[in-house]
Amino acid sequence: DAGVTQSPTHLIKTRGQQVTLRCSPKSGHDTVSWYQQALGQGPQFIFQYYEEEERQRGNFPDRFSGHQFPNYSSELNVNALLLGDSALYLCASSLANRGPGELFFGEGSRLTVL
Amino acid sequence: RKEVEQDPGPFNVPEGATVAFNCTYSNSASQSFFWYRQDCRKEPKLLMSVYSSGNEDGRFTAQLNRASQYISLLIRDSKLSDSATYLCVVTRGGFKTIFGAGTRLFVKA
Repeated sequence: DAGVTQSPTHLIKTRGQQVTLRCSPKSGHDTVSWYQQALGQGPQFIFQYYEEEERQRGNFPDRFSGHQFPNYSSELNVNALLLGDSALYLCASSLANRGPGELFFGEGSRLTVL
Repeated sequence: RKEVEQDPGPFNVPEGATVAFNCTYSNSASQSFFWYRQDCRKEPKLLMSVYSSGNEDGRFTAQLNRASQYISLLIRDSKLSDSATYLCVVTRGGFKTIFGAGTRLFVKA
């Protein structure tokens, strides 16, 4: 049973560029959430997708956007990258009928913006 | 003030010790509560849910006090493998999860 998989695992971009991160949820899960984790901090909620719709959003600017596909996989896009966007981006999957707190995380995509 | 606050630690304890972590949350509309564990440079993993009646899983006991908006995690008989960061998590608004910054624990032989 495959867990949550994310790609790429590491990437380096320069300011102003755009990045796309990808996530495949745990088998059987229908909900995908994205988080940003800066060094020494807890994960910060970016948004959640269910049935291909953004269902909830945290305090992140519109530069952060996402998508969920019919197979439940998801993408996170960040435009006009800033130095402060450097962080670990975590994808978590869950079952909608189990509530929002029982999350299974991928290993993350570590983004460095130079 | 952060919505979920934890003592950052680190807590340095010997093997076999009992250690307790506290967490406070500021939004009374918070709905459900969890503890996650995150090993160094790894992803967070669900440790246990927290209920008003309290719950226990082996050496781990979690408590919730809604009136004081306070959550705790007690680890008995600490093992070297318990060394990690422990994240307090609350949910509200149906779908939103809020993580604390975490408490670091080091268990030493």
